[in-house]
Amino acid sequence: GQQVMQIPQYQHVQEGEDFTTYCNSSTTLSNIQWYKQRPGGHPVFLIQLVKSGEVKKQKRLTFQFGEAKKNSSLHITATQTTDVGTYFCAATSSGSARQLTFGSGTQLTVLP
Amino acid sequence: DGGITQSPKYLFRKEGQNVTLSCEQNLNHDAMYWYRQDPGQGLRLIYYSQIVNDFQKGDIAEGYSVSREKKESFPLTVTSAQKNPTAFYLCASIEMGRGRTEAFFGQGTRLTVV
Repeated sequence: GQQVMQIPQYQHVQEGEDFTTYCNSSTTLSNIQWYKQRPGGHPVFLIQLVKSGEVKKQKRLTFQFGEAKKNSSLHITATQTTDVGTYFCAATSSGSARQLTFGSGTQLTVLP
Repeated sequence: DGGITQSPKYLFRKEGQNVTLSCEQNLNHDAMYWYRQDPGQGLRLIYYSQIVNDFQKGDIAEGYSVSREKKESFPLTVTSAQKNPTAFYLCASIEMGRGRTEAFFGQGTRLTVV
């Protein structure tokens, strides 16, 4: 199936520092989604990006979709302890049998 | 109250036994997916279904089976052929349409082999 690589696997930051996670694909993506999973919980949808070069913001979170639609990033400004969790990107394959593939996730720890 | 319901939340299985994990949704979504998550790792796709009476293998289908007899239900059976079944299992239904893709997850089932 489609491969989506995500880095870093782990990130520890001091509260107030910024955080970024990156996703890369060898193939062009039709769209990309981002999810957050709190410790002990289930993934929750954050946003979907569709257009080449698209940038969307949700308060302190900024999401970008690359010009070639092969990479994406999530940036959190001034992290808070409530940002703790694992952030996943996900992409669907093209065609009639749509496989939703998740990246390996970035586990964010915010130190108070 | 719409959503995805997985049951049970915790499940213990003896080696050599088959177990079935339940997943029900009332969101009227056509597509449903099963993922496996191991500690500190990402989500790996087991099986998915785009429509009733049809399903496809994901990346790690060996040792698992599914059925999709109703739109609302997509149960997963972990068979004795699955050599390392202890994991967190997540079911999702996915809204696909009008240019939007969004997965809605259940609370998950933690399966432990004892």
